[in-house]
Amino acid sequence: KAGVTQTPRYLIKTRGQQVTLSCSPISGHRSVSWYQQTPGQGLQFLFEYFSETQRNKGNFPGRFSGRQFSNSRSEMNVSTLELGDSALYLCASSPGESSYNEQFFGPGTRLTVL
Amino acid sequence: DAKTTQPTSMDCAEGRAANLPCNHSTISGNEYVYWYRQIHSQGPQYIIHGLKNNETNEMASLIITEDRKSSTLILPHATLRDTAVYYCIVRVTDKLIFGTGTRLQVFP
Repeated sequence: KAGVTQTPRYLIKTRGQQVTLSCSPISGHRSVSWYQQTPGQGLQFLFEYFSETQRNKGNFPGRFSGRQFSNSRSEMNVSTLELGDSALYLCASSPGESSYNEQFFGPGTRLTVL
Repeated sequence: DAKTTQPTSMDCAEGRAANLPCNHSTISGNEYVYWYRQIHSQGPQYIIHGLKNNETNEMASLIITEDRKSSTLILPHATLRDTAVYYCIVRVTDKLIFGTGTRLQVFP
């Protein structure tokens, strides 16, 4: 099985712009979670989608949003970018039926905001 | 906030067992202990998880104390490729709350 794929792998934006990141889960997986990783804050949970519905949400401002499509692919969007949004954004997928399914992570998208 | 405490860093000689401790004194009865690791610039990789009993798989063993307030991840024969940051996580549903982890350095 192919693993979790994320596109693009690297991205450079300027303050005030908006960005959309994409995640394709492992085939058959219905749950997709997003995490932000920065040197200062470490790995932080953003949100989780299951069957096109947001099932869980972390403590991030409304500028961070996401969605999931019927094929389980997911996108996250960050509007009005700030310098502090520079981070590695990680996507993880799991089968989703159980809350305790193992999560498989993608390689991440490294976003740099100038 | 993370519900686990881990040492910041540890060293281990190649071929020896690496024992990584984790304290989770406020764990609830239905919360699982998960271990992930992250090799530099890659996404975290699942290692093992457990609730009460000790667990073993092809990668590692997980020893959970009887009171469940602490656990130890054991890599039986560490290799250079095991150099990574190891995260001990007390899992609440689908949300993984990562702490700062232990940076394990395996040396020749």
